[in-house]
Amino acid sequence: AQKITQTQPGMFVQEKEAVTLDCTYDTSDPSYGLFWYKQPSSGEMIFLIYQGSYDQQNATEGRYSLNFQKARKSANLVISASQLGDSAMYFCAMREGDSGGYQKVTFGTGTKLQVIP
Amino acid sequence: ETGVTQSPTHLIKTRGQQVTLRCSSQSGHNTVSWYQQALGQGPQFIFQYYREEENGRGNFPPRFSGLQFPNYSSELNVNALELDDSALYLCASSLEAGGLSYEQYFGPGTRLTVT
Repeated sequence: AQKITQTQPGMFVQEKEAVTLDCTYDTSDPSYGLFWYKQPSSGEMIFLIYQGSYDQQNATEGRYSLNFQKARKSANLVISASQLGDSAMYFCAMREGDSGGYQKVTFGTGTKLQVIP
Repeated sequence: ETGVTQSPTHLIKTRGQQVTLRCSSQSGHNTVSWYQQALGQGPQFIFQYYREEENGRGNFPPRFSGLQFPNYSSELNVNALELDDSALYLCASSLEAGGLSYEQYFGPGTRLTVT
């Protein structure tokens, strides 16, 4: 089974509208972390938001929020008030295990978001 | 605060050659991870270095090796290059503290082309 599943290869959103990018994950480890990254065409992976498995509240960072539904194993990214600069690839990732310092991070296949003026 | 830097930015090599990629971690970070990102795909974990030792590895052959130095900078070495090694190689640094780690911050990547 895929560890991280992003079912939307591409998405379009109107400028100033909100958009939700889907991510589901699979792990039996009770301790894990979930990340979202943005990758513009330049290639650099930009950290957006992090949610720990024991965090009680959904993470928020400015216009980004993470809709964390632990029982459903989903960690959707919500971008509010989309801007043209939000056009990029978005990757969901999961870190499993935190014993001994080894932290393998698994990435999904990504969602290409295009913001329309 | 200095971010993660990588060198070189682009590289072209011939099949069978060897290559060394370099990464300087973000200030205060003691852990470096390397990823390979083929075109149109998500990054794939190669290995992680913590306090100068490899402490985790993905499904990559032994010809992918690395080093971490006392200042926590790191190298990725690839021997006997193959055409499929053409990819963007990303380095990420994070702070490991007593078994807990925090967010990974990525460098701009090195784009390797093998001909």
